[in-house]
Amino acid sequence: EAGVTQFPSHSVIEKGQTVTLRCDPISGHDNLYWYRRVMGKEIKFLLHFVKESKQDESGMPNNRFLAERTGGTYSTLKVQPAELEDSGVYFCASSQAIYEQYFGPGTRLTVT
Amino acid sequence: DQQVKQNSPSLSVQEGRISILNCDYTNSMFDYFLWYKKYPAEGPTFLISISSIKDKNEDGRFTVFLNKSAKHLSLHIVPSQPGDSAVYFCAASAFFPVRAQKLVFGQGTRLTINP
Repeated sequence: EAGVTQFPSHSVIEKGQTVTLRCDPISGHDNLYWYRRVMGKEIKFLLHFVKESKQDESGMPNNRFLAERTGGTYSTLKVQPAELEDSGVYFCASSQAIYEQYFGPGTRLTVT
Repeated sequence: DQQVKQNSPSLSVQEGRISILNCDYTNSMFDYFLWYKKYPAEGPTFLISISSIKDKNEDGRFTVFLNKSAKHLSLHIVPSQPGDSAVYFCAASAFFPVRAQKLVFGQGTRLTINP
């Protein structure tokens, strides 16, 4: 069974530019989550999809972040315009059951 | 407000001995706790979990203990092996106000197993 995949693995952009991160969850997993780890600190929740619907987006930092999940399959997270403080590692996770979430390898975003 | 805390940024243990990683939490609504292991350039990997109705869960070399009155949990690895060297994250989820499926993570503890 393929795990959670994320693309790209690393992105370097300039402040003010736009970046779109993609996540493909484990097949059959209705729940999809985005998390972020900044500067080696704790991993912080951004939002949660159940199929194509946003269940909880309480962790989204501001309206520069837009997440979508087309048809309840893959998800994208767009940052527009990017700021320096957006740098970090963005993780996607998926789950079938309520509890155990399976994480992808992450996308390292560097904003210069 | 750090609701899940791992106060030891790093821990060094000799191969074959027991590794004990600790985690404290402040939110009494947390009812499910998980440990994840993370290697460099990889995502966190689920290791073991425990529900608040239990005080111990064991899986092979890994045991998690939960002390609800102290709001403390610990992960025991015995015997420790070189492949256990990684960053370990404690995470928790709450049932209130609705089943909040998001995980709240601690800062992580870097475990190094020395030969």
